[in-house]
Amino acid sequence: AQSVTQLGSHVSVSEGALVLLRCNYSSSVPPYLFWYVQYPNQGLQLLLKYTTGATLVKGINGFEAEFKKSETSFHLTKPSAHMSDAAEYFCAAAGPVGNEKLTFGTGTRLTIIP
Amino acid sequence: GAGVSQSPSNKVTEKGKDVELRCDPISGHTALYWYRQSLGQGLEFLIYFQGNSAPDKSGLPSDRFSAERTGGSVSTLTIQRTQQEDSAVYLCASSRGSPTQYFGPGTRLLVL
Repeated sequence: AQSVTQLGSHVSVSEGALVLLRCNYSSSVPPYLFWYVQYPNQGLQLLLKYTTGATLVKGINGFEAEFKKSETSFHLTKPSAHMSDAAEYFCAAAGPVGNEKLTFGTGTRLTIIP
Repeated sequence: GAGVSQSPSNKVTEKGKDVELRCDPISGHTALYWYRQSLGQGLEFLIYFQGNSAPDKSGLPSDRFSAERTGGSVSTLTIQRTQQEDSAVYLCASSRGSPTQYFGPGTRLLVL
């Protein structure tokens, strides 16, 4: 069975600082990997995804993530935090083909300090 | 284009009552998923429909939960004899047969 681990349930960074949210997956087969963002009282919005190909993927709002098979990681980064980035972030994995249901991490709440 | 829509956005019910939650997927999406988000359990998969195939019901927590998808489009999640532990946000997602899923805004269910 697949599992996804997000280190740090709460992360605080200053406005303009680097954002780093950690995600590790556990799977014998490299899965499809996703980051979603959730704003208060809203659904999940897709930030970015890794399916195949380039291991550094760029998403919306200046976020990017790198798939590292050797480390079974898919950490999310943004060079400069903005106040509007305050939200909860979920890492998720799906796959292999034929098993597309998502397994989610427990989420990381990002706070931006002005 | 229109995204995934869910109704109602909020539902308050009494313990023991049945509830129906509706999901309208993105037009043309063949796969539809239901998830539950609760404080104690995080985000959990419930059920998955893909085209005309038999649904994957492996995430349904009890036989009080059921779902159907009519005409390969709209889906209804039914919870019978609701319990307080059913209180959660129920999220629906759809995809065009790829692993990438797009989520609706959710239905917030409160069982008193």
